[in-house]
Amino acid sequence: GENVEQHPSTLSVQEGDSAVIKCTYSDSASNYFPWYKQELGKRPQLIIDIRSNVGEKKDQRIAVTLNKTAKHFSLHITETQPEDSAVYFCAATSGYSTLTFGKGTMLLVSP
Amino acid sequence: DTAVSQTPKYLVTQMGNDKSIKCEQNLGHDTMYWYKQDSKKFLKIMFSYNNKELIINETVPNRFSPKSPDKAHLNLHINSLELGDSAVYFCASSQDWGARVLTFGAGSRLTVL
Repeated sequence: GENVEQHPSTLSVQEGDSAVIKCTYSDSASNYFPWYKQELGKRPQLIIDIRSNVGEKKDQRIAVTLNKTAKHFSLHITETQPEDSAVYFCAATSGYSTLTFGKGTMLLVSP
Repeated sequence: DTAVSQTPKYLVTQMGNDKSIKCEQNLGHDTMYWYKQDSKKFLKIMFSYNNKELIINETVPNRFSPKSPDKAHLNLHINSLELGDSAVYFCASSQDWGARVLTFGAGSRLTVL
């Protein structure tokens, strides 16, 4: 089955800095890679996703990159704000099984 | 109108008791899931149902029994609760089994004393 590793487990940045969270996956058949954001005490919510036929996708201050050869993908947040503080989960699936989540990264943005 | 709703939101109970958590989705989705999130925040799939049929049953103790009376509802019953069952349980749904986007409920925080 799929195995998703996520690093770092915690990340502290100053407001305005960039933050990068990295994930690797094991199943070369995986072709869909979403990122979920979970604010404290709230439900996980999809913030961005990428499919294997593209290498990069951007939505305002967040972007995701995918390297299929190396089997890794990353979330980039620019100009971080305190409201970006949350736990971020990467995930992967081939579409023939349920999503496999990484263990999460707690991002803390200090004013 | 809440898309995926769970009840109760909080549940505090003694070891050995039996409890249930209910989940309903009004999105018309075919597939529903139960996830367990422990204190380290790891999201672990427990069960998945597609059109009322069980399709995923991870290595979960048989004290946990899901039931799907129809495709809009997925309930979770837990017998003989143990301290280690304390966690947040999230219900989720997706359009169908091949769909990738999950919509989560707000979670049910279970505390076993």
